[in-house]
Amino acid sequence: GENVEQHPSTLSVQEGDSAVIKCTYSDSASNYFPWYKQELGKGPQLIIDIRSNVGEKKDQRIAVTLNKTAKHFSLHITETQPEDSAVYFCAASKGNTPLVFGKGTRLSVIA
Amino acid sequence: NAGVTQTPKFRVLKTGQSMTLLCAQDMNHEYMYWYRQDPGMGLRLIHYSVGEGTTAKGEVPDGYNVSRLKKQNFLLGLESAAPSQTSVYFCASSSIRGAEAFFGQGTRLTVV
Repeated sequence: GENVEQHPSTLSVQEGDSAVIKCTYSDSASNYFPWYKQELGKGPQLIIDIRSNVGEKKDQRIAVTLNKTAKHFSLHITETQPEDSAVYFCAASKGNTPLVFGKGTRLSVIA
Repeated sequence: NAGVTQTPKFRVLKTGQSMTLLCAQDMNHEYMYWYRQDPGMGLRLIHYSVGEGTTAKGEVPDGYNVSRLKKQNFLLGLESAAPSQTSVYFCASSSIRGAEAFFGQGTRLTVV
């Protein structure tokens, strides 16, 4: 089955700096790659997603890139703010299977 | 909009006791999922359902049972709780499999 590896497990950045979280997947048939943000005491919430027919997608300060050949995708957060502090999860699916999640990255934005 | 609602939010069980976690969604989604979240382990799929009356095993199904008698509800049962089942449980739903999943607020379960 699909296996998703996520790095780093923890990340600290200064406010205003950029943060990058990377994930790799094992199943070349996977075609949907979402990113979820989980704030303390809450359930994960989708922040951005990308499908395999697209290489990059942006939404304000957040962007996701996908390299199908290398089977990896990344989350980029620019101009980080304290409210970006949370746990971020990547996931992968091949459309006919449930999402498989990475183990998460705890992002701390230091003011 | 309520979205996905989980009941209860917190529970403490003694080893060997049983309980049922309830998940309800009001988005008319076909697919529903139960995940557990443990420190450093991410979200692991326990069971899922592709429609009313159907269930399927996920990555870590042992010790759990599920039922989907109504489209909007997905129940997770623990017949004989064990300390290894101490975790935060999340229910999610999606309109199609492998698309955006909407999560509930979670149930924190402690088995002593």
